[in-house]
Amino acid sequence: DIQMTQSPSSLSASVGDRVTITCRASQGIGNDLGWYQQKPGKAPERLIYAASNLQSGVPSRFSGSGSGTEFTLTISGLQPEDFATYYCLQHNSYPRTFGQGTKVEVK
Amino acid sequence: EVQVVESGGGLVQPGGSLRLSCATSGFPLSGYLMSWVRQAPGKGLEWVATIKHDASERYYVDSVEGRFTISRDNAKNSLYLQMNSLRADDTAVYYCARGGRVPDYWGQGTLVTVSP
Repeated sequence: DIQMTQSPSSLSASVGDRVTITCRASQGIGNDLGWYQQKPGKAPERLIYAASNLQSGVPSRFSGSGSGTEFTLTISGLQPEDFATYYCLQHNSYPRTFGQGTKVEVK
Repeated sequence: EVQVVESGGGLVQPGGSLRLSCATSGFPLSGYLMSWVRQAPGKGLEWVATIKHDASERYYVDSVEGRFTISRDNAKNSLYLQMNSLRADDTAVYYCARGGRVPDYWGQGTLVTVSP
């Protein structure tokens, strides 16, 4: 199975900050990776697919990059509605695997 | 408008069974792989199973293999998850999601609690 190691597990940030979250795959997965945002009590929402493609309707302050084993989600200019938990998901092979999640909290 | 709505969750004793359903609308179910993802209380997301368009192939996480069965009825626009031999660690919110790669539409989830 492919292991996804996400870091950090949590971070504190202020509105306007630039935030970076990383996912590392235990083996190369090309660009077979997506990112989700989840707020308490809600279903996850897709932000990014194919490592760097922005989901329609998602603000352009969100961006994804990387390929192979290292991937990054960047939020450029954190907004109040962005405080949430973020997950990466690899779909290169079965079983699909998520990262452990990164909780973005108010500093 | 795409809609995905789960049902069938509840309280069940260890060793028991439960069948989850997922009603879809707003898109042709036959055109999509479909998946179940779960989330234990206070924990992260865990992919559970995916089924191909015509049910010709099904994939499971190891921890549910042989106990859970994913199925679909494209004519009824519905996805199912039959869960047998349930254990305490199956307690979670179960989400139905459209797609088998990076699912785009998710339901609101249905809670399954396995407890004596």
